[in-house]
Amino acid sequence: TQLLEQSPQFLSIQEGENLTVYCNSSSVFSSLQWYRQEPGEGPVLLVTVVTGGEVKKLKRLTFQFGDARKDSSLHITAAQPGDTGLYLCAGNAGNNRKLIWGLGTSLAVNP
Amino acid sequence: DTEVTQTPKHLVMGMTNKKSLKCEQHMGHRAMYWYKQKAKKPPELMFVYSYEKLSINESVPSRFSPECPNSSLLNLHLHALQPEDSALYLCASSHLTGDNYEQYFGPGTRLTVT
Repeated sequence: TQLLEQSPQFLSIQEGENLTVYCNSSSVFSSLQWYRQEPGEGPVLLVTVVTGGEVKKLKRLTFQFGDARKDSSLHITAAQPGDTGLYLCAGNAGNNRKLIWGLGTSLAVNP
Repeated sequence: DTEVTQTPKHLVMGMTNKKSLKCEQHMGHRAMYWYKQKAKKPPELMFVYSYEKLSINESVPSRFSPECPNSSLLNLHLHALQPEDSALYLCASSHLTGDNYEQYFGPGTRLTVT
């Protein structure tokens, strides 16, 4: 069974702090996506990483794909209340279009 | 345009009702998906359509019946649901060719079964 372990599951921090969310697996992924979801809304795609060692930046968010394409991280610098939400990683390990999902990280950024 | 639309936004139905959820995308994607999501959990895949044909059914009970009338539309017909079927139902779409596996999600339908 292919698993994507995401940590931490819950995170509550103060505005201005930095944080990192991790997704780890024993499987190799051809690509990995990060999504952010607000309550009652659908997940919004933040980024896709496909190359081992790849680093992508989206304003204060930095995404990294491990060299072996088995793990990924999301780092947020100077978190703001607007960053509050559920962060989900999802990877594709085959060619059948099924995504393997992490359990999500529920982030609360307090003003 | 990376928009997937879903209607209705909210739906309350009794266990004997028949209702339908609708999804539409105009991104030229040839794969469309139905997911079920419980609060603070990841989406659970239900069905995948590829080129308007059902390619994956994740052992979903027959009270859920998907339909793909054309490459832009996806429906989910609901009948005789149970209270435990209450959840956020998400539609998504993606390309089918190449190595791009990005899925784009709609805003979801919040379903409550009474």
